[in-house]
Amino acid sequence: GAGVSQTPSNKVTEKGKYVELRCDPISGHTALYWYRQSLGQGPEFLIYFQGTGAADDSGLPNDRFFAVRPEGSVSTLKIQRTERGDSAVYLCASSSQGSKRSTQYFGPGTRLTVL
Amino acid sequence: AQSVTQLGSHVSVSEGALVLLRCNYSSSVPPYLFWYVQYPNQGLQLLLKYTSAATLVKGINGFEAEFKKSETSFHLTKPSAHMSDAAEYFCAVSAKGGGADGLTFGKGTHLIIQP
Repeated sequence: GAGVSQTPSNKVTEKGKYVELRCDPISGHTALYWYRQSLGQGPEFLIYFQGTGAADDSGLPNDRFFAVRPEGSVSTLKIQRTERGDSAVYLCASSSQGSKRSTQYFGPGTRLTVL
Repeated sequence: AQSVTQLGSHVSVSEGALVLLRCNYSSSVPPYLFWYVQYPNQGLQLLLKYTSAATLVKGINGFEAEFKKSETSFHLTKPSAHMSDAAEYFCAVSAKGGGADGLTFGKGTHLIIQP
């Protein structure tokens, strides 16, 4: 079956611009996660949705980052006034439940480059 | 809060030799532990996970890991390395009960297989 998909696969933007990154989770998965992976590092948790609501946004680095999941399926990560330090691969994952023991299935990521 | 330490950013083994990738965790509550593999230009794929059942966990592609509470370790092993095992491996932890809902990852270990 179809896995988690993310678009675009690559995004190049200029400092100060606004970007949106999209995630399509596995059909029927209620839990959705966003992570950020900088070069040479492991993924870093950003935000977790259970259904439409952000159940845990403790990983968002600052108020320039925001995410939505209005219909409980597709999610969009939004970054305002991008900075060069935002350059990273942004990963999305979904799971069938929000349990911490559940397997998270990851998408291929969006590589964001801020010039 | 929880954390993960992966000893060795790069590990090189000969084809057919034993693979040992080290992972130590820190958690104030009983953990759930995961090993993920990342092939170039692909998403993270779950190899195996420990969720407080058997301490020796078998995963895909011949990998296994043993949870050792006294050593706070969850090392990944494979008896005989194959060229196709070359990839980046990440250990991750989540904590039962409180704390962030996302996974906390180590920095990863790049596994190199020598012919």
